[in-house]
Amino acid sequence: EAGVAQSPRYKIIEKRQSVAFWCNPISGHATLYWYQQILGQGPKLLIQFQNNGVVDDSQLPKDRFSAERLKGVDSTLKIQPAKLEDSAVYLCASSLTQVAVELPEQYFGPGTRLTVT
Amino acid sequence: GQQLNQSPQSMFIQEGEDVSMNCTSSSIFNTWLWYKQDPGEGPVLLIALYKAGELTSNGRLTAQFGITRKDSFLNISASIPSDVGIYFCAGRSGGATNKLIFGTGTLLAVQP
Repeated sequence: EAGVAQSPRYKIIEKRQSVAFWCNPISGHATLYWYQQILGQGPKLLIQFQNNGVVDDSQLPKDRFSAERLKGVDSTLKIQPAKLEDSAVYLCASSLTQVAVELPEQYFGPGTRLTVT
Repeated sequence: GQQLNQSPQSMFIQEGEDVSMNCTSSSIFNTWLWYKQDPGEGPVLLIALYKAGELTSNGRLTAQFGITRKDSFLNISASIPSDVGIYFCAGRSGGATNKLIFGTGTLLAVQP
């Protein structure tokens, strides 16, 4: 079974530029998550989708970050304009269901390492 | 955002030694998870705990869900070089979002 795919793996941009990341979840996984992981910290949830609807975007800086999952499969996360503090690894994860107590496992992709200069 | 406190921050041990790390929270969780992250990769799930007091093993790894539901412990027995990595705990409080709160991580280095 193929895992969560992400691209690009690395991106270097200058501050105030725009950048987009792409994620393709595991086939059949209805729930998709985007996390931000700053160096030396654990992942922090930015946004969660259930199919093509947003379930939780309470920690997404909406003035500069946006995300969509139009057809309920793959997703893009965009930053516009980027700031220096956005330098981090952006992880995508997916899970089979969001409500089953016994199956909360989220499977992570390899991440996109963003450097803003 | 909220993060769980993990300790120790880092550990440098000899191959064959046992390792213990823990995670504490000011909030109650109904699920605790332990992940391992290798450099340049995403976290990989090691163990999931669903009930207070539960003790679960996965090979040389053993984890426990604290009775208070505010902490969890991970033990690794007879460490080997491939155990090197960053270990994260994560808590899930339930509800509609299945939101995970991650710990600050424990870096493990194993000397052959």
